[in-house]
Amino acid sequence: GQQLNQSPQSMFIQEGEDVSMNCTSSSIFNTWLWYKQDPGEGPVLLIALYKAGELTSNGRLTAQFGITRKDSFLNISASIPSDVGIYFCAGLYSGAGSYQLTFGKGTKLSVIP
Amino acid sequence: ETGVTQSPTHLIKTRGQQVTLRCSSQSGHNTVSWYQQALGQGPQFIFQYYREEENGRGNFPPRFSGLQFPNYSSELNVNALELDDSALYLCASSLGLAGGINEQFFGPGTRLTVL
Repeated sequence: GQQLNQSPQSMFIQEGEDVSMNCTSSSIFNTWLWYKQDPGEGPVLLIALYKAGELTSNGRLTAQFGITRKDSFLNISASIPSDVGIYFCAGLYSGAGSYQLTFGKGTKLSVIP
Repeated sequence: ETGVTQSPTHLIKTRGQQVTLRCSSQSGHNTVSWYQQALGQGPQFIFQYYREEENGRGNFPPRFSGLQFPNYSSELNVNALELDDSALYLCASSLGLAGGINEQFFGPGTRLTVL
């Protein structure tokens, strides 16, 4: 089945630093999404990417849909303590009238004040 | 506007038992998807319900089944529980199918522990 490789698994950064994480797939996706999950909560959508090569920003977050459609990255600029959490990439597969998300294993981000 | 709610919050069962988890979708949403999230992993797609019918299924055995009701709330049933079924079960609701991906909202999940 489809698998997403997300890296790094975890990272510790100083407040104010920039962060970069990425996701690669063995399959092509038509849509890439990035989610953040806080403890005890469900994932919350941060950014959705719909076209190969697309670069999209949401505040301090920037994500790109790779040209090969098999990869994506997420950058967070000037990190703050509330950025702490687990970030997931997800690829959207749609077919036969249904759609399903395939998630990466997550990147756990810790921000040191 | 009410968000996605799930019940119960936590549940402990023993091997071989059956469990029913519940999800109330966000007001106006007619599509519910269920995911299993094992510790330290990303969510894995179980199945999706659209207008009370199963509309897509992931790689899960038939002992995972579901229902969607006329008010679009949903149940996930798991029979013959196994230890590996211990996980956080998430539901997500949206309006419509693929076109509604931007409007898919996750609930807080039900933490199932199988002993």
